Amino acid sequence: KAGVTQTPRYLIKTRGQQVTLSCSPISGHRSVSWYQQTPGQGLQFLFEYFSETQRNKGNFPGRFSGRQFSNSRSEMNVSTLELGDSALYLCASSAGVLQETQYFGPGTRLLVL
Amino acid sequence: DQQVKQNSPSLSVQEGRISILNCDYTNSMFDYFLWYKKYPAEGPTFLISISSIKDKNEDGRFTVFLNKSAKHLSLHIVPSQPGDSAVYFCAASPAAGSYQLTFGKGTKLSVIP
Repeated sequence: KAGVTQTPRYLIKTRGQQVTLSCSPISGHRSVSWYQQTPGQGLQFLFEYFSETQRNKGNFPGRFSGRQFSNSRSEMNVSTLELGDSALYLCASSAGVLQETQYFGPGTRLLVL
Repeated sequence: DQQVKQNSPSLSVQEGRISILNCDYTNSMFDYFLWYKKYPAEGPTFLISISSIKDKNEDGRFTVFLNKSAKHLSLHIVPSQPGDSAVYFCAASPAAGSYQLTFGKGTKLSVIP
């Protein structure tokens, strides 16, 4: 089975711009979660989608949003980028039931200048 | 408030010896725990998990121990190999209500040949 794929792998943006990141989960997985990793805060949960519905949301501002499509692929959008949004954005997929392992993609490295 | 803590930022172990990585948690609602291994600029790779109904789970060289009363878990790697050198993250999820993983800040393991 192919793993979780994320595109693009690297991205450079400037402050005030917006960005869209994409994630394709493992075939058959219906849950996609997004995490932000920074040196200071570590890995932090952004949100989780299951069957096109957001089930959980972390403590991030409304500039961070996402969606999931009928084929379980997910996109994450960050509007009005700030320098502090520079991070590794990770997507994880799972079957979507409790106590189910989440499998991570390679991440998208976003640099905001 | 950090709900999952890995108090040792780094650990050095000789090749062939045992590596013991520790993790403490404060939220008594957590009942499923995972360990991930991460290389720089890559996504976390799932290693092993344990449910709160167990106190031990083994998979090859990796064993995870859970002490619920102490809210403590540990990952043992025996024997340690140079390829095990990476950052190890402990993660936890609750019994119900949320599908998000809460991560510790990680422990960087260096296995010296």
